[in-house]
Amino acid sequence: GAGVSQSPSNKVTEKGKDVELRCDPISGHTALYWYRQSLGQGLEFLIYFQGNSAPDKSGLPSDRFSAERTGGSVSTLTIQRTQQEDSAVYLCASSLARRRDTEAFFGQGTRLTVV
Amino acid sequence: RKEVEQDPGPFNVPEGATVAFNCTYSNSASQSFFWYRQDCRKEPKLLMSVYSSGNEDGRFTAQLNRASQYISLLIRDSKLSDSATYLCVAGTYNFNKFYFGSGTKLNVKP
Repeated sequence: GAGVSQSPSNKVTEKGKDVELRCDPISGHTALYWYRQSLGQGLEFLIYFQGNSAPDKSGLPSDRFSAERTGGSVSTLTIQRTQQEDSAVYLCASSLARRRDTEAFFGQGTRLTVV
Repeated sequence: RKEVEQDPGPFNVPEGATVAFNCTYSNSASQSFFWYRQDCRKEPKLLMSVYSSGNEDGRFTAQLNRASQYISLLIRDSKLSDSATYLCVAGTYNFNKFYFGSGTKLNVKP
């Protein structure tokens, strides 16, 4: 597809379960970002991948959160032992990090509800 | 301290009004700047990049003040369809890591 694709679009899970969120970036984009947005709030940075460099994990809120990016393309964000405060929209974005002012393109997000 | 700070608003303006938003960024090494627009329950979408010399796109004008580390967005002749949340973004050059502000909500009323 032409844009960033995320799946699932909605996920309802029980507290304590693990969830996996998937992001398929735009082909050729070397940079990939995960953000979290709670209702009515701004974007909270979670993790950033750039090419083959070590990811910047400085935004991950706890060790229950992890992410990987296989083959420099698809990324998976995993949340273990989900808590109710994990409920939010998880947004993935990618960019062609070759020019100084390249923009980030967002997927439509995964709305996670922990019950 | 947040990397990028914005007034959350809301800014309530009548149609046809001119409205301006500012945001400040804390990292002096920031090199790329953008304004994104986010409609309710939708993903953010790029509105415009912000260049050092300032830039204009129709009714929208963006300015960058590096000395004071702030970015502005001016919307002229506001339309009802301009109602949205506007996100200010600053990015680093070396890794193109983006920091988003929390957004400023604009309500344009008839």
